[in-house]
Amino acid sequence: KAGVTQTPRYLIKTRGQQVTLSCSPISGHRSVSWYQQTPGQGLQFLFEYFSETQRNKGNFPGRFSGRQFSNSRSEMNVSTLELGDSALYLCASSLDIPAEAFFGQGTRLTVV
Amino acid sequence: KQEVTQIPAALSVPEGENLVLNCSFTDSAIYNLQWFRQDPGKGLTSLLLIQSSQREQTSGRLNASLDKSSGRSTLYIAASQPGDSATYLCAAIQGAQKLVFGQGTRLTINP
Repeated sequence: KAGVTQTPRYLIKTRGQQVTLSCSPISGHRSVSWYQQTPGQGLQFLFEYFSETQRNKGNFPGRFSGRQFSNSRSEMNVSTLELGDSALYLCASSLDIPAEAFFGQGTRLTVV
Repeated sequence: KQEVTQIPAALSVPEGENLVLNCSFTDSAIYNLQWFRQDPGKGLTSLLLIQSSQREQTSGRLNASLDKSSGRSTLYIAASQPGDSATYLCAAIQGAQKLVFGQGTRLTINP
């Protein structure tokens, strides 16, 4: 079966712009979570959605937001981009909680 | 606040050796613990999930153990191969499917 799909794979944006990343979970999975990975901070939890509801949120500024649609696909938005937002953004899906998490290949965001 | 630590940060061994990667966590109130591997520039590949009620899980040459009372998990890799070279990450799974990751162990298997 198809895995977790993230689009686009690579993005280059300018400071001050906004960006939207997309994640399609494994079919049947209703939980989608997002993580930011940087060399200095490692993998950090952004937020988690289940059946269109945000159930948990990490310690990130309000510029980072997300949503989940009725088909479980999720989007993450970052507004007013800063250089420090350059990172690999990873999405994970799970069947339910607590359950094994499956990750996509990530979106590499570079802010210049 | 949950903190996950992985030791060592890097490990280099010759092919064929058995090895152990360590993971410790500060809060024993976890649902599960999951091990992943990550190749450079790629996403995470799930290796093993240990539920909180379990003590260990095995998949092929991999064996992971969990001791919640001591806040420790280990990943044992038998008969290592060059293809095992990657960064290995452990994650404690807490409420609402929040994964708290360690910094990872960068493993190099030398032919």
